[in-house]
Amino acid sequence: GQNIDQPTEMTATEGAIVQINCTYQTSGFNGLFWYQQHAGEAPTFLSYNVLDGLEEKGRFSSFLSRSKGYSYLLLKELQMKDSASYLCAVRDSSGGYNKLIFGAGTRLAVHP
Amino acid sequence: NAGVMQNPRHLVRRRGQEARLRCSPMKGHSHVYWYRQLPEEGLKFMVYLQKENIIDESGMPKERFSAEFPKEGPSILRIQQVVRGDSAAYFCASSPATQTYEQYFGPGTRLTVT
Repeated sequence: GQNIDQPTEMTATEGAIVQINCTYQTSGFNGLFWYQQHAGEAPTFLSYNVLDGLEEKGRFSSFLSRSKGYSYLLLKELQMKDSASYLCAVRDSSGGYNKLIFGAGTRLAVHP
Repeated sequence: NAGVMQNPRHLVRRRGQEARLRCSPMKGHSHVYWYRQLPEEGLKFMVYLQKENIIDESGMPKERFSAEFPKEGPSILRIQQVVRGDSAAYFCASSPATQTYEQYFGPGTRLTVT
């Protein structure tokens, strides 16, 4: 089966660092994505990991450990505009094609 | 280069009516995916289509829901005899033919069933 877990809510202070964790179980793992979604808007792509290790892109970094079925998204120098939901999604290729399976999302609230 | 387009952005239907949601993928993209998102929940996969083919409809309810992606024109998600539980945001995403990278999402259609 497929299962993706991430915390429901997190809060953090402007200027701080926050780490959002995601654990997954899937039979045909072929990459992990993080998307950002502001309330009432479409998800927008943040990062992609297919090999173990850390991918850094500006204030955002994403880490993957395939052996542990674990990823995290690290947000540095938090800004108020970072208040949003962060969706972890696993690309599953067990059906012979790629399909994205999303977690329920983590709602991050950044306060002054 | 226009992104993924969806219309209408908001749709209100009474119980029992039909809802038609349209999605035009990004230029050059031949893979289309539909997702449903209930309030405060994540995206749930519904169906994956290529031009004139349904590749995976494992996330579609067995009744009342259908999807198509014709050779010409947008992809259509059709919901017949809508019920209150169908109220949700419906997102369409597209990806290039190689399907190697991220899916690009449209702005969504928010369906309200009264």
